[in-house]
Amino acid sequence: GDSVTQMEGPVTLSEEAFLTINCTYTATGYPSLFWYVQYPGEGLQLLLKATKADDKGSNKGFEATYRKETTSFHLEKGSVQVSDSAVYFCALSERGGSYIPTFGRGTSLIVHP
Amino acid sequence: GAGVSQTPSNKVTEKGKYVELRCDPISGHTALYWYRQSLGQGPEFLIYFQGTGAADDSGLPNDRFFAVRPEGSVSTLKIQRTERGDSAVYLCASSLTGAGRVHEQFFGPGTRLTVL
Repeated sequence: GDSVTQMEGPVTLSEEAFLTINCTYTATGYPSLFWYVQYPGEGLQLLLKATKADDKGSNKGFEATYRKETTSFHLEKGSVQVSDSAVYFCALSERGGSYIPTFGRGTSLIVHP
Repeated sequence: GAGVSQTPSNKVTEKGKYVELRCDPISGHTALYWYRQSLGQGPEFLIYFQGTGAADDSGLPNDRFFAVRPEGSVSTLKIQRTERGDSAVYLCASSLTGAGRVHEQFFGPGTRLTVL
């Protein structure tokens, strides 16, 4: 079955540091890939997505590239801010099906001033 | 123009009781999803509605769990004979649908269920 593996958190960084959160996946087909973010006290919201190999999703300074050869979709940001502190979830959704996403366990990011 | 709403935001109940959790999706979204999120875990799929019908209920853990969406809008997740292991945040999401396209799911804030 499909699965998503994320690096364990928490990830603790100082403001303006470079961020990488690793995500790898296992899928039977050719999935679409997502990063969702959950800010404290709020619901999940889509951060970015990529639907085919070599696509780069980007939003709010975050980027992730769909790497089919390494089955990865690592999240990066060049300079994090305190306001980026949240839990980040990597997810995949198989095309041709009902698009029900399979989520990773989430990685907590804490950014200190 | 509101997002997905869920009520109640918190529910505390005793073991063995029956609970209902409500989800109001975004107007016009025909797809509706229920998830359960335990502490330190990602959302776990429970059931997916396309219109009024349950298109996929393979994630429901057992027959104590049931969900309805009688008019294709509001949905209710029903849990009978609650157990302490049912304690979690129950999330609802809705999306547009279209053959061959991946539509973004919009999540509600969740209902935190605590079974004592």
